Amino acid sequence: AQSVTQPDIHITVSEGASLELRCNYSYGATPYLFWYVQSPGQGLQLLLKYFSGDTLVQGIKGFEAEFKRSQSSFNLRKPSVHWSDAAEYFCAVVPTSGTYKYIFGTGTRLKVLA
Amino acid sequence: EPEVTQTPSHQVTQMGQEVILRCVPISNHLYFYWYRQILGQKVEFLVSFYNNEISEKSEIFDDQFSVERPDGSNFTLKIRSTKLEDSAMYFCASSDRDYPTTDTQYFGPGTRLTVL
Repeated sequence: AQSVTQPDIHITVSEGASLELRCNYSYGATPYLFWYVQSPGQGLQLLLKYFSGDTLVQGIKGFEAEFKRSQSSFNLRKPSVHWSDAAEYFCAVVPTSGTYKYIFGTGTRLKVLA
Repeated sequence: EPEVTQTPSHQVTQMGQEVILRCVPISNHLYFYWYRQILGQKVEFLVSFYNNEISEKSEIFDDQFSVERPDGSNFTLKIRSTKLEDSAMYFCASSDRDYPTTDTQYFGPGTRLTVL
């Protein structure tokens, strides 16, 4: 079945440490890929997206993500985390099969230690 | 920067009552969506809407749900007879489906619906 998996429900890192949030998908073709962030009481803010081309994508707030076709992954990274990055992060895909609905992962809640 | 807005931010209702959740999409967008997130679960697609018609809907979007664009700015989700299991955060989104890339959806802050 088609799915999006974020294996880590919770992640805790120290401020200044590097971060990698994992996202795996299972679709026949390469879908369109997105990362969103949800701060407490806020909506979903787009961090970055991948459609095609360069597999390393730069986003806002210093985030980047790398698409790896061989691993069906689209992991989100940040070299140095700030306390304000504490939030929930969602990976989403749009299967390239005539639908425009987003399929979301279950989310990863990031806690940042001072 | 243009943004999607939603009202109310929190709605409490009794089971069996009708609720209308309101959204104002980004002004030049033509494609509209509703998603929901039950507490502790993933965000789920409900429905997409274009040119005054539903273009896609999920199995969640049954006859109790309806959507409407009553004027040039608002997009509404109506639940006719709410159930306890309708308690969730409801997100509205809009896009301009910027071909040839694809659909980047911009989300509102959500309406938290609590059914008692």
